[in-house]
Amino acid sequence: GDSVTQMEGPVTLSEEAFLTINCTYTATGYPSLFWYVQYPGEGLQLLLKATKADDKGSNKGFEATYRKETTSFHLEKGSVQVSDSAVYFCALGLGAAGNKLTFGGGTRVLVKP
Amino acid sequence: DGGITQSPKYLFRKEGQNVTLSCEQNLNHDAMYWYRQDPGQGLRLIYYSQIVNDFQKGDIAEGYSVSREKKESFPLTVTSAQKNPTAFYLCASNRVDVNSPLHFGNGTRLTVT
Repeated sequence: GDSVTQMEGPVTLSEEAFLTINCTYTATGYPSLFWYVQYPGEGLQLLLKATKADDKGSNKGFEATYRKETTSFHLEKGSVQVSDSAVYFCALGLGAAGNKLTFGGGTRVLVKP
Repeated sequence: DGGITQSPKYLFRKEGQNVTLSCEQNLNHDAMYWYRQDPGQGLRLIYYSQIVNDFQKGDIAEGYSVSREKKESFPLTVTSAQKNPTAFYLCASNRVDVNSPLHFGNGTRLTVT
């Protein structure tokens, strides 16, 4: 079946450090890929997405490139801030209707000043 | 502003009681979803609905029930048959087309003792 695998956290960084969160997937079709972010006590917010191979999604300094050859969608940010502390979820979506998503287990990121 | 409203934010129940979680959206989305999130884990799909008066089981539907009598509303009932009901419950919605991202509510934390 379809699945998403993310690196386990927590990831602890100092402010202005470089962040990478690995995400790989297996899918029976040609999925769209998403990164969502969850701040403490809240629901998830869409961070960025990519719908086809070699697409790069970007938002708020975060980037991820859809790599079909390696079935990956790694999230990167060049200089993190304390406000980036959150849980990050990679997800894939398949299907013609409803776009039911399959999520990875989430990666907690803690940025220290 | 359009969005998804989940209520209440915190809910406490005694074991053996049914409890209903509310989810309302004013985004005019056709599809709605319920996810369960356990500490340190990803999201698991409970039920989803792509149209009024129709819904499908997700990956962990046992012990839960839903209804979709109105487009805006998708309440989730956690029944006494659910063996481990204590969790964080997230409602989401999106348009019924490919690549439509999910919009999430802020969640309901249910504690059953």
